[in-house]
Amino acid sequence: KAGVTQTPRYLIKTRGQQVTLSCSPISGHRSVSWYQQTPGQGLQFLFEYFSETQRNKGNFPGRFSGRQFSNSRSEMNVSTLELGDSALYLCASSLETSGPSFTDTQYFGPGTRLTVL
Amino acid sequence: AQKVTQAQTEISVVEKEDVTLDCVYETRDTTYYLFWYKQPPSGELVFLIRRNSFDEQNEISGRYSWNFQKSTSSFNFTITASQVVDSAVYFCALAKVDSNYQLIWGAGTKLIIKP
Repeated sequence: KAGVTQTPRYLIKTRGQQVTLSCSPISGHRSVSWYQQTPGQGLQFLFEYFSETQRNKGNFPGRFSGRQFSNSRSEMNVSTLELGDSALYLCASSLETSGPSFTDTQYFGPGTRLTVL
Repeated sequence: AQKVTQAQTEISVVEKEDVTLDCVYETRDTTYYLFWYKQPPSGELVFLIRRNSFDEQNEISGRYSWNFQKSTSSFNFTITASQVVDSAVYFCALAKVDSNYQLIWGAGTKLIIKP
């Protein structure tokens, strides 16, 4: 079974630009979560999607947004990039057959490393 | 407020030594989950274990073992007979039952296993 895939793996942008990252969950998984990882702030939760609906959101500005498609693939978008947005963005998927539950393990993708110049 | 503390920023040991990674958490909830993840240099977080707050049994999986003690709010992770392939950053995380996957992460412990 293929794991979580994220594209692109590496991205270089300049301040003020916008970027879209993509995540394809494990086949059959319906929940997708996004995390930002930086040396200074560590791992921080961005948002979680289930059945095309955002169910939970972390403490990030509105420049960070996301969506989920009917096939459970998810994208996140960052507009008006700032230097501080440079980070590893991780996507995780889980099966979740019976509603929100941590009994479903989250499986992570390799991440997209975004560098903002 | 919920918080996870991994006081050990970096640990370096020689192969075959045993090593324990500490994790101390804070929460006012009675029902919660604790996790350990491994992040090798490739960057992908690998799930190691999940433990709910009502299950204080220690767990052993091969060379890995976990010690969960609610009395001290700790969930420590021990690697026995460490190997070079164990070199990675290890994260401890905490979640409320109803938080829809909003994990609170520790800062991570970088483990270096020298041959």
